[in-house]
Amino acid sequence: EIVLTQSPGTLSLSPGERATLSCRASQSVSITYLAWYQQKPGQAPRLLIYGASGRATNIPDRFSGSGSGTDFTLTIGRLEPEDFAVYYCQHYGSSPPMHTFGQGTKLEIK
Amino acid sequence: EVQLVQSGAEVKKPGESLRISCKGSGYSFPSYWINWVRQMPGKGLEWMGRIDPSDSSTNYSPSFQGHVTISADKSMSTAYLQWSSLKASDSAMYYCARRLSGAVWYRFDAWGQGTLVTVSS
Repeated sequence: EIVLTQSPGTLSLSPGERATLSCRASQSVSITYLAWYQQKPGQAPRLLIYGASGRATNIPDRFSGSGSGTDFTLTIGRLEPEDFAVYYCQHYGSSPPMHTFGQGTKLEIK
Repeated sequence: EVQLVQSGAEVKKPGESLRISCKGSGYSFPSYWINWVRQMPGKGLEWMGRIDPSDSSTNYSPSFQGHVTISADKSMSTAYLQWSSLKASDSAMYYCARRLSGAVWYRFDAWGQGTLVTVSS
């Protein structure tokens, strides 16, 4: 079973700054299976990135994903007030067939 | 508009049974797997399992296998998550989320609003 480790646990930045969030897999994974989600307090998660770098519908272009193998990154180019939330990476593994989430990175206002 | 609408909050006692629901609309319900995700208070997301409404085939996370049952009624465009005997540790928010069957990309592109389950004596 693949384990996803996100870092940092908490990231404190100011609006206008650039955010870089990391997701590391315990073994190499296919980019097809790697997605990122945003969750704001009291809300359901929302898909941001799929296939490691594809932007979901209606997601602003300040959000971008990259990476391959075991290391993946979510970058938010210029933080807006509404971007402060918790971010999760997700992976699908086929043996056994299951989805796994990272433990999350909380992006908070500095 | 694609929507997944979940049933309302539940308060139950330990040992009681429960079934919560997730109704899809605005899309072809049999074409998307429905996944269930648990979020315990103040914690992260945990995938529980999924169902393919077209044939009711299921997969469960080893952590939840045998503790919950996922089912679906495609005629009602509704998926279900049920417990036969609740424990206090089942208290959590539960989300349903869809994933296109057979798609290249593994992504949960729509989510329900969540159902809060509280189990307390």
